[in-house]
Amino acid sequence: QKEVEQDPGPLSVPEGAIVSLNCTYSNSAFQYFMWYRQYSRKGPELLMYTYSSGNKEDGRFTAQVDKSSKYISLFIRDSQPSDSATYLCAMRINDMRFGAGTRLTVKP
Amino acid sequence: DAGVIQSPRHEVTEMGQEVTLRCKPISGHNSLFWYRQTMMRGLELLIYFNNNVPIDDSGMPEDRFSAKMPNASFSTLKIQPSEPRDSAVYFCASSTPGLPGGYTFGSGTRLTVV
Repeated sequence: QKEVEQDPGPLSVPEGAIVSLNCTYSNSAFQYFMWYRQYSRKGPELLMYTYSSGNKEDGRFTAQVDKSSKYISLFIRDSQPSDSATYLCAMRINDMRFGAGTRLTVKP
Repeated sequence: DAGVIQSPRHEVTEMGQEVTLRCKPISGHNSLFWYRQTMMRGLELLIYFNNNVPIDDSGMPEDRFSAKMPNASFSTLKIQPSEPRDSAVYFCASSTPGLPGGYTFGSGTRLTVV
């Protein structure tokens, strides 16, 4: 079993839709939870991070962490074509462990 | 801030040749990470350094891979001899204890071994 599981998709939605991206993990020692966005032929860039359980909102993006279920989510409201990218969840104790990434396409 | 700088951006080499990838972390960041990304395996941690000292190299696939960090502003990842299965995008990332949330990645080196 991988430490971090993420459905690779692909996921295609119309512009304006609400997008839900999810990851599960097995190591209860993870404390920091991140979402990275990676555009084609670019390095991953940090989108949001949260510490422990709870919600965090930043504009159209909301990150949720449920440590009891070992489940994290990223919600994108009013999705835009510019949101089309691969989204990777990541978790950290000392070093970072990444999910496989979900490829998202938002169609105009 | 120029970010994490990697070179070269693209490398095409023949099987058996030595390949050296380079990374300049962000000034002031004391941790440096080398990752490999493929479609099949996603992002895999190869090795990371704290204060120029290798901490965990358990992700280095085999002895053909080696990494060094001679000073705080430079690191190399070397593959000798290279094989076609080493073809991937190699990313370098850096971070600081003041940034517990994440790393800053470079743009990657796309390696093709033919």
